Amino acid sequence: DTGVSQDPRHKITKRGQNVTFRCDPISEHNRLYWYRQTLGQGPEFLTYFQNEAQLEKSRLLSDRFSAERPKGSFSTLEIQRTEQGDSAMYLCASSIDGSDEQFFGPGTRLTVL
Amino acid sequence: GENVEQHPSTLSVQEGDSAVIKCTYSDSASNYFPWYKQELGKRPQLIIDIRSNVGEKKDQRIAVTLNKTAKHFSLHITETQPEDSAVYFCAAGGGYQKVTFGTGTKLQVIP
Repeated sequence: DTGVSQDPRHKITKRGQNVTFRCDPISEHNRLYWYRQTLGQGPEFLTYFQNEAQLEKSRLLSDRFSAERPKGSFSTLEIQRTEQGDSAMYLCASSIDGSDEQFFGPGTRLTVL
Repeated sequence: GENVEQHPSTLSVQEGDSAVIKCTYSDSASNYFPWYKQELGKRPQLIIDIRSNVGEKKDQRIAVTLNKTAKHFSLHITETQPEDSAVYFCAAGGGYQKVTFGTGTKLQVIP
C-alpha cells in the first residue's frame, strides 16, 4: 500500500496514561500534518513538519502533546497524561513540495476512559 | 487565523437532483480550496480543489466555484446518486501549509 498509514488504528487507554501514535507518509512526501477530528466536526490542525522541522503548532497542542519526525520520514504524536477530552480521531496527512494536495491516513481513534 | 464557515450542516436530496454546499472563508491570503468527502469511519478523500486564480472547475458531476472578492466558494453535485451520501468538508489554505476545515455537511441522497 503506497498511501499514508497510521498505527494503531484504535487505542483505548485509561485517563492519565501516555499514548503514542505513528504515521508513515507517502514515501516521497516531505510535508506531514497532524489533525484531530471529533464527532460531527471537521479535522482541526495540530501541527506540521517540513522534512524533520516542525514548522507550526496549533494552540490546541497543549504541553501534554509532542510530535516528532526525527529523520524526516515517519512521525510520532505522543499524548502524556491523557484526559477524557483527548478522545478523538487523530489524522495524519502528507503532501509534497509544489503541491497543496494533502493525502490523509486512516486515522487513529483514541478513547480515553 | 483562517476561519471557514460551511452551510448547510445537513442536506437531503432526491436521487437525480442537484446538491449545493456553500462555504465562506476569512483570510484573503488563502489561495487553495479543497473539498473532501468522508464516509462513515473512513479517511477524508479529496474530490476536487480549486486555486484562487480560477473561478470555476468541473470534474464530471462535481463542480466548484470561487468568488474571491466575496470570499465564497461552493460545491455543486449534479445528478446525485445514493453513493454520494457522505459528509463533505470544505477547506481553505495554501502555500503548502495547513488547511482549515469547515464543520461539514452531511449529504443524504434518497433513492
